Amino acid sequence: DAGVIQSPRHEVTEMGQEVTLRCKPISGHDYLFWYRQTMMRGLELLIYFNNNVPIDDSGMPEDRFSAKMPNASFSTLKIQPSEPRDSAVYFCASNRGQGSTDTQYFGPGTRLTVL
Amino acid sequence: KQEVTQIPAALSVPEGENLVLNCSFTDSAIYNLQWFRQDPGKGLTSLLLIQSSQREQTSGRLNASLDKSSGRSTLYIAASQPGDSATYLCAAGEFTGTASKLTFGTGTRLQVML
Repeated sequence: DAGVIQSPRHEVTEMGQEVTLRCKPISGHDYLFWYRQTMMRGLELLIYFNNNVPIDDSGMPEDRFSAKMPNASFSTLKIQPSEPRDSAVYFCASNRGQGSTDTQYFGPGTRLTVL
Repeated sequence: KQEVTQIPAALSVPEGENLVLNCSFTDSAIYNLQWFRQDPGKGLTSLLLIQSSQREQTSGRLNASLDKSSGRSTLYIAASQPGDSATYLCAAGEFTGTASKLTFGTGTRLQVML
């Protein structure tokens, strides 16, 4: 298996532009998680899906952020409009949801820089 | 709200030393406790997972312990090697139905010197 795939790996954009981050989870995994990592706040959970349905979006910072999962093999995290404080590394992770023994598998991340 | 703290924030040791990384959490009603490794510019890799009913887990030179009552976990690395240099993160898992919702600590950055 190729693992969790994220694209792009690096994104540089200007303030006010729309940014779309993409994630392909491991085949057969029912849960998908989006995280953000910054020096100041560490790794924070933004939103997670179960069987393509958003379950908990309480970590989404504000309405400028939105996430979708149109099918079991694809998810997007969109920021519109982007701001310099959104600069961070965004990770996607997935797992099977098989209880307390099931870890999460992380993608390589997308490093976002908003100028 | 669960809060996870890791001490120390950074650690530098000579090769061959045994070392202990510490993790504390505020809510003892955890589902599991997980340790991850993160290399620069990379994603996280799972090292060990301890279920709430367990006291410890071992994998090779790594041993993780869990004391729910005191809200603490430790990661013990035996005979450290330069390849162990990375950031180590612990995460407290909260039950969501089937999956664990993880709250991460800010990590311990480890450097093992030749």
